Amino acid sequence: DAKTTQPNSMESNEEEPVHLPCNHSTISGTDYIHWYRQLPSQGPEYVIHGLTSNVNNRMASLAIAEDRKSSTLILHRATLRDAAVYYCILRERGYSGAGSYQLTFGKGTKLSVIP
Amino acid sequence: ETGVTQSPTHLIKTRGQQVTLRCSSQSGHNTVSWYQQALGQGPQFIFQYYREEENGRGNFPPRFSGLQFPNYSSELNVNALELDDSALYLCASSLRSGASGGELFFGEGSRLTVL
Repeated sequence: DAKTTQPNSMESNEEEPVHLPCNHSTISGTDYIHWYRQLPSQGPEYVIHGLTSNVNNRMASLAIAEDRKSSTLILHRATLRDAAVYYCILRERGYSGAGSYQLTFGKGTKLSVIP
Repeated sequence: ETGVTQSPTHLIKTRGQQVTLRCSSQSGHNTVSWYQQALGQGPQFIFQYYREEENGRGNFPPRFSGLQFPNYSSELNVNALELDDSALYLCASSLRSGASGGELFFGEGSRLTVL
């Protein structure tokens, strides 16, 4: 299974940008990079995903290294509501082909936001 | 549009008992997957159902079983409960999609305590 490595925890000041790194040196050519976050007492929530090019959406930006062995989730202005565990996940194709995908979660990065 | 709902939210069982957890998928979603999240860990994939058939399974014993119904709702059954089965059980629904893998929508989970 493809694996990702993330720092256990990070801190950010409110309204400052946050860069959450992820290493995935064994990524294969068909693996997509997904990010989810989990707020306290809630289920995980999709944030963003990408393959090769940088991606932007209303929640965040995803910067992918040219060799695809690392990526960075960027929160442009951290708010208190962004305090959560952030998971970087490689989306693998399951044994049954398209539609059979499982997410392999690591321990993620616990982001604390300081008012 | 309703989100993913799970029931019950909390329950307590004793070793050796059986439990059934329920999940209603987000409207229009035809794929449901189940995850187990132990305290302080990331969610671990149990299995996935598409059109009432299991089409992906993680490293869980056969006493973990599931069903998906024609309306795409789902059940997770666990027989012969063990203390280590104490965890948050998460259901996620999605629309079967192409290689990038669609976004998964998670419920808030069912917290199972085994005494």
